[in-house]
Order: sequence, then structure tokens, then C-alpha cells
Amino acid sequence: QIQLVQSGPELKKPGESVKISCKASGYTFTDYAMHWVKQAPGKGLKWMGWINTYTGKPTYADDFKGRFVFSLEASASTANLQISNLKNEDTATYFCARSGYNYVGVMDAWGQGASVTVSS
Amino acid sequence: DVQMTQSPSNLAASPGESVSINCKASKSISKYLAWYQQKPGKANKLLIYSGSTLQSGTPSRFSGSGSGTDFTLTIRNLEPEDFGLYYCQQHNEYPYTFGAGTKLELK
Repeated sequence: QIQLVQSGPELKKPGESVKISCKASGYTFTDYAMHWVKQAPGKGLKWMGWINTYTGKPTYADDFKGRFVFSLEASASTANLQISNLKNEDTATYFCARSGYNYVGVMDAWGQGASVTVSS
Repeated sequence: DVQMTQSPSNLAASPGESVSINCKASKSISKYLAWYQQKPGKANKLLIYSGSTLQSGTPSRFSGSGSGTDFTLTIRNLEPEDFGLYYCQQHNEYPYTFGAGTKLELK
């Protein structure tokens, strides 16, 4: 069955970097794009952008341009999110989510979420 | 950006009842609206996309309707596993945007 398994919780200090992984299984990784979604504590979902898993081309929402990088290890069916120069407001759970096959903006399978806490 | 306004924010109901959750877009998104369920300890689940198309595995007691700016998720004959958070999301244009969520609680 389709599974997206994300890396574990992270505790970081402001200014540090973090890399979150999302390992896919149960389907051909390069056939579906991968989205990233942020959920701050007690808040709703915010779309960060997506990466074309066939070409490696990322697309970022405006609020996530600059410090956020989407990357792939296609041979390992893994998508990564790296956040640099961490700020307190980056404290959140980050989800990877597979795009739909016919509708790239639909997210038809989700990872369990990776918690990032930024605190001095 | 397209703003998505969900209502109500909270909803209390009993098993067997029917409920509706509304989602309003700040401009027309044609039919391109999805609904998701979020529950603690479980992966988020896509329920409906393109306004009314049930995702494979979504029970038939769920239905979606609407187009343009106004959409509704209806759950008939509530089951205990239906209680949780529900989000709408427009998938018509970048950036994809979500509603603030509706918490469906047991009465």
C-alpha cells in the first residue's frame, strides 16, 4: 500500500538548519509530485509548495522562498525539506503529501508529519 | 491568493445525525475544491476532490457539492470514526490554500 514515512522530531536552536525526509513506498516515486504543508501548533494547514519528482523542479509558495529547499533522492524514493536559519515561527509540524495523478493540486496520500521545534 | 472561509469552526453532533460544513472561496475556483479529514495519530485523509468526486475508499455517506465560490461537505448518518477536523482546500490555482478547519465533535 502507499506509504509516506517521515523522519522523527527535531529540536533546534534559532539560526540552525534542519532536514526532514519523506520516504515513499507502494508506488512509482517519479510518477507523482510531492507537496509540503506546514501546520503551526494549534493552527491550520498551509501549503509550502511542491516538487516535480520526475524533473526535480521545485515550486515554492511566496512565504517559503529563500530559506526553504525541496530536494529529492529519487533512487531512494525520498523527498527532503531543508530549512535554514531557523526562526521561532518555524516551529510546526511539516507534512509531505503525494499529489493526485490527474490533479496535481490534490494531495491524495500524506506522511505522518515531522515535528520541528525551534527554541533557544 | 484565494482566501477560503470555512464555517462553522466547531460543530457538535451525535452518531446517526447528518451534518454540513461550508467552504467559501474569495473568487471563483470552478469545481476545484478538495476536502480532507485530520485525526490525531493518523495520516491526513483526502475525502473528496473536484468538488464532488469521492476519493477511492471514502464512504458513500460523504458527499460534496458546489461550484464557483460556494461548496458544502455533507456527512450523512455520522459514524464514531467521523469525528475530527475537516479542511477544505482549493486546487484551482497557486498558491493552493486551505480553509481554517472545522472541528466536528461528539455531542
